[in-house]
Amino acid sequence: DVKVTQSSRYLVKRTGEKVFLECVQDMDHENMFWYRQDPGLGLRLIYFSYDVKMKEKGDIPEGYSVSREKKERFSLILESASTNQTSMYLCASSLLPTGPGNTEAFFGQGTRLTVV
Amino acid sequence: DQQVKQNSPSLSVQEGRISILNCDYTNSMFDYFLWYKKYPAEGPTFLISISSIKDKNEDGRFTVFLNKSAKHLSLHIVPSQPGDSAVYFCAASAVFGGSQGNLIFGKGTKLSVKP
Repeated sequence: DVKVTQSSRYLVKRTGEKVFLECVQDMDHENMFWYRQDPGLGLRLIYFSYDVKMKEKGDIPEGYSVSREKKERFSLILESASTNQTSMYLCASSLLPTGPGNTEAFFGQGTRLTVV
Repeated sequence: DQQVKQNSPSLSVQEGRISILNCDYTNSMFDYFLWYKKYPAEGPTFLISISSIKDKNEDGRFTVFLNKSAKHLSLHIVPSQPGDSAVYFCAASAVFGGSQGNLIFGKGTKLSVKP
């Protein structure tokens, strides 16, 4: 059974704090992603990684950084949390595609982050 | 500019009837399309997909249709059940476009199936 696990379901942090969101997958997937979901805006890609120590900016990378030191783990870092980063954060993983038909991404259960 | 568009934020359907969710895309490099279902406070779960070399894929009550010339796909759910009530996201990727497989999502359509 495939599994993507996010370290916390709910987090409350103060403005200015450094926040770490952790994600682990057990499927030996090359790709890992961080999205945020907001009402009316859908899922927006923050960062993704297609290999250890590799990272690519998504659509909304400002205010975030990531770390991928091991293949199974992808961390999202909020350097100085702000209230506009209150959101649902979703981690996902997938195989590196070798052709059409294998880019299905598997998602974790999400972390609801509230910045006060 | 949005590359994947779901223009209906919500849809309400009677139990037993057909639900049709629509999705449009602008990037002609997209060659793989997926539908995800999401319940509140949970991560999205994969529902069904279609490659650009096909125009239809069916899995039980769920069928996805792809019209490449119109850059349009739709998800049909027949018959609709109350448990289908969720937010449905359309997603696309460009496997041969050098995207490394990252998915571009639409904003979602909230489906409500009424008993």
